Amino acid sequence: SQQGEEDPQALSIQEGENATMNCSYKTSINNLQWYRQNSGRGLVHLILIRSNEREKHSGRLRVTLDTSKKSSSLLITASRAADTASYFCATQNTPLVFGKGTRLSVIA
Amino acid sequence: SQTIHQWPATLVQPVGSPLSLECTVEGTSNPNLYWYRQAAGRGLQLLFYSVGIGQISSEVPQNLSASRPQDRQFILSSKKLLLSDSGFYLCAWSAVAGVWGEQFFGPGTRLTVL
Repeated sequence: SQQGEEDPQALSIQEGENATMNCSYKTSINNLQWYRQNSGRGLVHLILIRSNEREKHSGRLRVTLDTSKKSSSLLITASRAADTASYFCATQNTPLVFGKGTRLSVIA
Repeated sequence: SQTIHQWPATLVQPVGSPLSLECTVEGTSNPNLYWYRQAAGRGLQLLFYSVGIGQISSEVPQNLSASRPQDRQFILSSKKLLLSDSGFYLCAWSAVAGVWGEQFFGPGTRLTVL
């Protein structure tokens, strides 16, 4: 199985700023997913991007995928304190494999 | 709508004691089921997954085992817990067999082994 690796491991920003997190992986994939985890809770699916897509939007979230570089990025625009959480990418082959996550802190 | 339950929510067990964590899913049939462990400050480690009753795939060799006695029930067990078994255990399901799509997670069980 393969593993997505998120970068940076931790990110601290002011409310209203944009937050960008990156994910790199090693082998070809069918799709890539981003999840969010609030402290002490289960993960919540945010967005799925297929290998033939380059960009996808959902509300304040923008995900890009570059299969040639085997990387993806998650952009959260106009961040809010409620966005404080850990964010994980998961590469889909068989089965999903999660990275270690980026811990995002949004300071009000 | 679909829901996923895990219990207990928290558990403190002595080293060497047995373990049984239960996960049930409502509102869907023939789900793929997963057990993950998350150590403090770490990512998710896939422990087991199941595509059907009695079908268990193990991702990491360890002193844990999993069983799926019913379509929507997934159980994580151990005969003798180790200190290293402490962590946050998450159960998840997905609806798309053969194409590993979006997963839905339960609330988790916080296990502390003393």
